[in-house]
Amino acid sequence: DTGVSQDPRHKITKRGQNVTFRCDPISEHNRLYWYRQTLGQGPEFLTYFQNEAQLEKSRLLSDRFSAERPKGSFSTLEIQRTEQGDSAMYLCASSLNSLAGETQYFGPGTRLLVL
Amino acid sequence: RKEVEQDPGPFNVPEGATVAFNCTYSNSASQSFFWYRQDCRKEPKLLMSVYSSGNEDGRFTAQLNRASQYISLLIRDSKLSDSATYLCVVTRGGQNFVFGPGTRLSVLP
Repeated sequence: DTGVSQDPRHKITKRGQNVTFRCDPISEHNRLYWYRQTLGQGPEFLTYFQNEAQLEKSRLLSDRFSAERPKGSFSTLEIQRTEQGDSAMYLCASSLNSLAGETQYFGPGTRLLVL
Repeated sequence: RKEVEQDPGPFNVPEGATVAFNCTYSNSASQSFFWYRQDCRKEPKLLMSVYSSGNEDGRFTAQLNRASQYISLLIRDSKLSDSATYLCVVTRGGQNFVFGPGTRLSVLP
């Protein structure tokens, strides 16, 4: 257990529905990342926050995706009007960016299946 | 061409074997390098950072060649518990960690 938690662990939804995932990072970590991973591939970067500021978004993050980290602690990732192609594992990672460098610690992921 | 590429695998090796994985990256501005391990249906976990001078952690040795933009991971005396997917990770200035597709290792009894 890395100390990063995600909820729910599994989500099954019908195409067109909205879903929201939550990530609770390690408390002293200032950075929080969202990734998507499909079978046989490595995690693909979606977006990241430094404290409450969203500093970078991937082109993979279409306008149906939105992420927030309102108080610089937990984060939510919402997918609107889900499509079957959204089916994947959504991973959250947190890190402490310091002069010593940065190491990411991953949560267990939320596995999404869109029917 | 993907930014980070790895041996496609899978690698099937007997217990006790030595196995090496290769990884290449295309962005010469890359600054930090890591190997992560991912078990089936689990999250990635940090195995080791990769330093310019090379580094060793028990049975695991990582090497970095900046001139060739190449990273390697050597596992000696393979154990059944080493069976996993090994992910090469490259970062640029601490932002946007880029993962390779992973190389799957199966250690056979």
